Amino acid sequence: IAGITQAPTSQILAAGRRMTLRCTQDMRHNAMYWYRQDLGLGLRLIHYSNTAGTTGKGEVPDGYSVSRANTDDFPLTLASAVPSQTSVYFCASSEQYNSPLHFGNGTRLTVT
Amino acid sequence: KQEVTQIPAALSVPEGENLVLNCSFTDSAIYNLQWFRQDPGKGLTSLLLIQSSQREQTSGRLNASLDKSSGRSTLYIAASQPGDSATYLCAVENTGTASKLTFGTGTRLQVTL
Repeated sequence: IAGITQAPTSQILAAGRRMTLRCTQDMRHNAMYWYRQDLGLGLRLIHYSNTAGTTGKGEVPDGYSVSRANTDDFPLTLASAVPSQTSVYFCASSEQYNSPLHFGNGTRLTVT
Repeated sequence: KQEVTQIPAALSVPEGENLVLNCSFTDSAIYNLQWFRQDPGKGLTSLLLIQSSQREQTSGRLNASLDKSSGRSTLYIAASQPGDSATYLCAVENTGTASKLTFGTGTRLQVTL
């Protein structure tokens, strides 16, 4: 079934540790996104990529980095995790701008 | 800065009722408005996308309208069913923001038997 795969599904991480959240899509979509979802704040964009080889900052990029080496993969890295990064992280993709977004099932991250 | 508001935050209705969910946004310079459904512990599923030039979109029992000039959208669900219970989110894609959507915080819908 075509879609977006995120890994891991959940993780408990000690503060200060490095962590990479993985995201792979098999729809050959050009654009990919990382959002975090927090209670009362909704979904906020962390980073995005409009096409392979390019990335951009969203609303809340500090403490996170991304890369887009190819069309299918868009990993999100926390270089040194902090408790405020405890959240549910969603990867999404779209064919191009002005197209529906498709979401993965999320990674629930707890930083202690 | 675009702000998206959804009211009410939660809604409970008996099965069979028709219902309307509301979404408002502050900046009318948009490419589109999208409605999503989110089940507990899951990602978002796209329901409808309304282009800025359109007034409404329909899919099955769902109908979404858009009034760009007043910054409002509604999602109409006909003949609600318990399986419609979920959180419904709206999001707008602003022109000139390279595919970045701004989301509302959602309306949690419960359809009771």
